[in-house]
Amino acid sequence: SQQGEEDPQALSIQEGENATMNCSYKTSINNLQWYRQNSGRGLVHLILIRSNEREKHSGRLRVTLDTSKKSSSLLITASRAADTASYFCATDGSGNTPLVFGKGTRLSVIA
Amino acid sequence: SAVISQKPSRDICQRGTSLTIQCQVDSQVTMMFWYRQQPGQSLTLIATANQGSEATYESGFVIDKFPISRPNLTFSTLTVSNMSPEDSSIYLCSAGRSDTQYFGPGTRLTVL
Repeated sequence: SQQGEEDPQALSIQEGENATMNCSYKTSINNLQWYRQNSGRGLVHLILIRSNEREKHSGRLRVTLDTSKKSSSLLITASRAADTASYFCATDGSGNTPLVFGKGTRLSVIA
Repeated sequence: SAVISQKPSRDICQRGTSLTIQCQVDSQVTMMFWYRQQPGQSLTLIATANQGSEATYESGFVIDKFPISRPNLTFSTLTVSNMSPEDSSIYLCSAGRSDTQYFGPGTRLTVL
C-alpha cells in the first residue's frame, strides 16, 4: 500500500526556477528517502533524512522533514532541463526492510 | 553505494509465456527486494528475498505467479509466469546498505 502522497502530481517550471515537491506520510517513520526516475528507468537515490533530522542539503537539493506534520519537502534550486524526471519519496527502507513509496511528482523543466 | 545490474533491460513477450529477470549486486547483501511499477504508477513491493529461505510475498502477489530464487548473497531472479497483458510493467530489484536502498536499472516488460 502507498505510504505517502506527493504533491503536486505534476509540476512544470522554467529552467533556472526552483522546484518544490511535497510528500506526506501516514505512520511514524525512521527515515525518509527521495529518489529520481528518468523516463521509466531505474531509481536514483538522491538523499536520505532520518527522523531526528530536520533538514539536509546535497548540492542543489534541500530536503526538510517535519515529523509532527508527517511531511517532507524536496527543493531543487536553479533547475535545469536535465532535472526533468519523476521524483518519489519513500519511507523506512534499509538493508533489511523494504521501502514504501509515495505516488510521485512528475517534474518538467522547460529550457 | 551499491551497484546493481539487471537483465534483460526490456523484453516483449507473448501471452502465456514466462520471463526470468536477473539481478546482480556488486557486493553481498542479506535482503534483496523486487518491485513492480505499472504504467504511470508508483512502485509496489512484490516480495523480499532472503538468501537461504523462501521469499516473502506481499498481499496480491503469489509464488506460483512470481517465483523468486536467491541462490547466494549477490544474486536473485524473479520469474513472471504465464504472462498476460496486465503484467506489462517495469520490474525493479533493489538492495540495501545501512539505511539506504539502491535500485537496478529496471526491466521493462511488454506482454502482447
